[in-house]
Amino acid sequence: GAGVSQTPSNKVTEKGKYVELRCDPISGHTALYWYRQSLGQGPEFLIYFQGTGAADDSGLPNDRFFAVRPEGSVSTLKIQRTERGDSAVYLCASSAFGGNTEAFFGQGTRLTVV
Amino acid sequence: QKEVEQNSGPLSVPEGAIASLNCTYSDRGSQSFFWYRQYSGKSPELIMFIYSNGDKEDGRFTAQLNKASQYVSLLIRDSQPSDSATYLCAVRDTGRRALTFGSGTRLQVQP
Repeated sequence: GAGVSQTPSNKVTEKGKYVELRCDPISGHTALYWYRQSLGQGPEFLIYFQGTGAADDSGLPNDRFFAVRPEGSVSTLKIQRTERGDSAVYLCASSAFGGNTEAFFGQGTRLTVV
Repeated sequence: QKEVEQNSGPLSVPEGAIASLNCTYSDRGSQSFFWYRQYSGKSPELIMFIYSNGDKEDGRFTAQLNKASQYVSLLIRDSQPSDSATYLCAVRDTGRRALTFGSGTRLQVQP
């Protein structure tokens, strides 16, 4: 596609529920990143995929968070047993592999846990 | 804990002035440095990146890097009201693809 697409744009869920956030990267981009951004803060790294594999998942805060990218394109971030502290904007970015190529961000999914 | 520090602002400058945005980082292993602009409610967009000590210019923007002082800055010449946004400094370490972001500096350009 023309840009990084994230769905849904907004998600309200009840504490304890399971949610899935979807990211469709720019066509041909092999690198995909998930970040989350809380109000007044910069994006915080969660996980990086190169192709289908998670090359760096050091930013996932705990085992309630999991992400997949089974075919090397679309990625899904999964959050189990959501907590109010999970409320944030979840940003996905993609870049072409190699060097310091620019990472393009999607518009994000605003997750609110009530 | 690797840190990237920015003054949260707001930094207020008059239209046409030079805006100077600063960032310090804690990890001497950091190799690449990025400046992103983020308008309210929007996603970050890359303005510039810099790897080597010194200045790098792109239009009205100049990035400056001093690795010895662990300091990177962004200068915006001839500031316009449309430059009003939050500017995020980000750092990438050797061998990693992930970026560590600062919390951003809010810039207000007064017409």
